[in-house]
Amino acid sequence: DSGVTQTPKHLITATGQRVTLRCSPRSGDLSVYWYQQSLDQGLQFLIQYYNGEERAKGNILERFSAQQFPDLHSELNLSSLELGDSALYFCASSATSGSTDTQYFGPGTRLTVL
Amino acid sequence: DQQVKQNSPSLSVQEGRISILNCDYTNSMFDYFLWYKKYPAEGPTFLISISSIKDKNEDGRFTVFLNKSAKHLSLHIVPSQPGDSAVYFCAASDLNAGGTSYGKLTFGQGTILTVHP
Repeated sequence: DSGVTQTPKHLITATGQRVTLRCSPRSGDLSVYWYQQSLDQGLQFLIQYYNGEERAKGNILERFSAQQFPDLHSELNLSSLELGDSALYFCASSATSGSTDTQYFGPGTRLTVL
Repeated sequence: DQQVKQNSPSLSVQEGRISILNCDYTNSMFDYFLWYKKYPAEGPTFLISISSIKDKNEDGRFTVFLNKSAKHLSLHIVPSQPGDSAVYFCAASDLNAGGTSYGKLTFGQGTILTVHP
C-alpha cells in the first residue's frame, strides 16, 4: 500500500460526458502528479501540482483539467469524453516538487468510455 | 515521439537466473533514470534510480547500469524470483528542466517479466 488513494476504482461512462477522478496523496506529500496509461502505452505524464499550484505540464488535452485543493487532495476533470480517453489514470505523490523525489503511485482509476 | 524505449515487450527467465531488462533513450538532456515495477491492479512501485554522474547503482538483488554514450540503461535482477514477475517500466527525467517540464518523468512502454519456478 503506497498510501496514495484514488477513487473511484472503475468508471464507465458514455461519450460526451464529464467525469471527475479523485486522488488523496500520502500524508505529508505536497506534490501530486497525474498520468494516463492507454492500452499498450507506457505512462504518459499529464500534470503536476505542488502545494496547490500547477508545477509541470505534459501533453494534457484542453478537455482535461486538474486542481489541487488546500487539503492537498487533487481532482482530474475529463470532459467531452471520447472513446480514446478510455485508459488507466494514475495519481502519484511526492514529498516536494524535486525531480529526484520518489513518486508513490495510487492503484489507478480505470475509465471506460462507451 | 518515444523518448524512452523498452524494445522487449516481454522476458521469460528461470528462477535463480539473471533477468536483464533494457531501456534506450533519445533525449540527451535526460540525467536521472528510474525503474518502476507494476503488479496487476496496482500502481507502479519505485525500484531503483541512477543519476547520470554514475554508471552503476546497486540495491540488494537489483542493479541498474547506465551507458551514457550509448543512451542505454539496464536493470539486472540476480537471482530472479517468481515474485519478481511483473511489468517493469523505465523512466527518465531532466533534472535541469525548467518551466512546465520540471519534475516530469517520461516512461517507456514497459517489459513484462515472467520468472518461472
